[in-house]
Amino acid sequence: GAGVSQSPRYKVAKRGQDVALRCDPISGHVSLFWYQQALGQGPEFLTYFQNEAQLDKSGLPSDRFFAERPEGSVSTLKIQRTQQEDSAVYLCASSLVGTVPSYEQYFGPGTRLTVT
Amino acid sequence: EDQVTQSPEALRLQEGESSSLNCSYTVSGLRGLFWYRQDPGKGPEFLFTLYSAGEEKEKERLKATLTKKESFLHITAPKPEDSATYLCAVRGRSGGYNKLIFGAGTRLAVHP
Repeated sequence: GAGVSQSPRYKVAKRGQDVALRCDPISGHVSLFWYQQALGQGPEFLTYFQNEAQLDKSGLPSDRFFAERPEGSVSTLKIQRTQQEDSAVYLCASSLVGTVPSYEQYFGPGTRLTVT
Repeated sequence: EDQVTQSPEALRLQEGESSSLNCSYTVSGLRGLFWYRQDPGKGPEFLFTLYSAGEEKEKERLKATLTKKESFLHITAPKPEDSATYLCAVRGRSGGYNKLIFGAGTRLAVHP
């Protein structure tokens, strides 16, 4: 069975450019999460969707970060006017139901973003 | 504020040398403590979920245990293929029982 997929795997952007990162969750998974992972650190929460509804965006670091999941499946994380501090690995995870304790989050391979 | 601290930051073992990784946590309304394995260039791979103090789970050479303040990941007779970063995470009330709060991880290297 297919797991969570993300594209592109690697992205190099010049400072000031806009980028869009895509996540395809596991089929049937209701909840989708985005995390940011800096080198040598654990993932940090960015935002959470249940179906198409964005229920928590408390982790988005600035208004340059925007996420959507219009049809409740594929999600896109967009970063406008990228800055060097945005360089990190962006991880997507999905789970059957986020608020039910018995369901784990399954992660994709991540997109490594480098801003030059 | 929910917090997870993992120790040691890095651990080097000889093949067959058993050891334990520690995860100390502070969380309001714990609804699960999670262990993940992460290989370089890959996303975290789910290992275990623990829900209540005293609970234990095992998978091959790994055993995870939970108390009210910490969790241990015991590695018995490790092999080189167990080399990875092991991440601990919690889910609690402050995160709406949605997001995971991760520690920084323990980088494990097992040498033949």
